Amino acid sequence: LAKTTQPISMDSYEGQEVNITCSHNNIATNDYITWYQQFPSQGPRFIIQGYKTKVTNEVASLFIPADRKSSTLSLPRVSLSDTAVYYCLVGGSNTGKLIFGQGTTLQVKP
Amino acid sequence: GAVVSQHPSWVICKSGTSVKIECRSLDFQATTMFWYRQFPKQSLMLMATSNEGSKATYEQGVEKDKFLINHASLTLSTLTVTSAHPEDSSFYICSARAPGLAAHEQYFGPGTRLTVT
Repeated sequence: LAKTTQPISMDSYEGQEVNITCSHNNIATNDYITWYQQFPSQGPRFIIQGYKTKVTNEVASLFIPADRKSSTLSLPRVSLSDTAVYYCLVGGSNTGKLIFGQGTTLQVKP
Repeated sequence: GAVVSQHPSWVICKSGTSVKIECRSLDFQATTMFWYRQFPKQSLMLMATSNEGSKATYEQGVEKDKFLINHASLTLSTLTVTSAHPEDSSFYICSARAPGLAAHEQYFGPGTRLTVT
């Protein structure tokens, strides 16, 4: 399973756009990229997933370059409630196994 | 959307006793469920994969005789921590995958906080 590398932490202010980049150099051809959000003492919550190019939903956008060796989660106009840990995961397409990396702790300040 | 529940949400038990945690898919049938453990300030660690009607597959380093997993139906998987010790205190989270969905599409439960005294 491909390993992912993310910044350990990021700070932002309310109303700003936040971009979190994840590196996954060993991504396999049939692997998808999935991002989850986790609040303290809660299970992860699905944010977005993609395979290539750009995916957008009501909460975020996911940008994936052509080589798929990295991806960027974009959160528009963050609020205090977006303070959480964000995990980038790669794989799961065959076995369903998701291996979590260390994640990025996002702190949104007023 | 798909909902996965866990019961109990938190439990305190004495060292040496066993504790059972339930994971249920409420509005879909889950052919596969996964169990994770999360220590404070750390990431989720996959413990095992549970397939309905068959034995669970454990990740390396996870004791299968200590963490008993049963997936008796398409909506229920249980994790039993046997002879619990204080070092087993952790946040246990399950996830479920529905048939027909891509393997990477999983729904997570809210987690169960286990404290062993």
